[in-house]
Amino acid sequence: RKEVEQDPGPFNVPEGATVAFNCTYSNSASQSFFWYRQDCRKEPKLLMSVYSSGNEDGRFTAQLNRASQYISLLIRDSKLSDSATYLCVVTADQTGANNLFFGTGTRLTVIP
Amino acid sequence: NAGVTQTPKFRILKIGQSMTLQCTQDMNHNYMYWYRQDPGMGLKLIYYSVGAGITDKGEVPNGYNVSRSTTEDFPLRLELAAPSQTSVYFCASSYSDARGLLAKNIQYFGAGTRLSVL
Repeated sequence: RKEVEQDPGPFNVPEGATVAFNCTYSNSASQSFFWYRQDCRKEPKLLMSVYSSGNEDGRFTAQLNRASQYISLLIRDSKLSDSATYLCVVTADQTGANNLFFGTGTRLTVIP
Repeated sequence: NAGVTQTPKFRILKIGQSMTLQCTQDMNHNYMYWYRQDPGMGLKLIYYSVGAGITDKGEVPNGYNVSRSTTEDFPLRLELAAPSQTSVYFCASSYSDARGLLAKNIQYFGAGTRLSVL
């Protein structure tokens, strides 16, 4: 079983729509969770960390469900510039340098 | 604000050739990483380093070598290029404190090197 699993999509949504992605992880001891954004042919960049209580950054809301071992990303009022691949990232603990696990990404296309 | 710089951006190799992918960072980060990303796949860790003079294998180290003689530089060496090494290679860095706690586990990536082995 993969450490981190994501629906690859693609998700094609009209401008202004609300879209949500889920990501499941297999290691119940995982401690840190993130969403990275990767534009086509570019490097991944941190979008937001995911906190236990859930957190919001403008139009983006991230939530964590430890019991079911999944995290989610909600994008409201989608913009054309939101078109990208969203990577779910999970780490087992705070100290290890080799325990960062990346999902394969969910591709989003926002249509005019 | 250079961040993480990778060179070259693109390269085509013939089977059996060797090359070095360069990576340098100017953020004084102690941790550095090399990943490869194949189409439709997640990033796979090749090698990582927790400081100058210290390197360790990641998930997919075969066919690669690294060195870390300075804090800034972390080159990745391919000795005998094979078609299976066709991929996009990303270098990344992060910072940890004296206790080894990664600062928010945030990784900063270079722009990548697109390598084709034919």
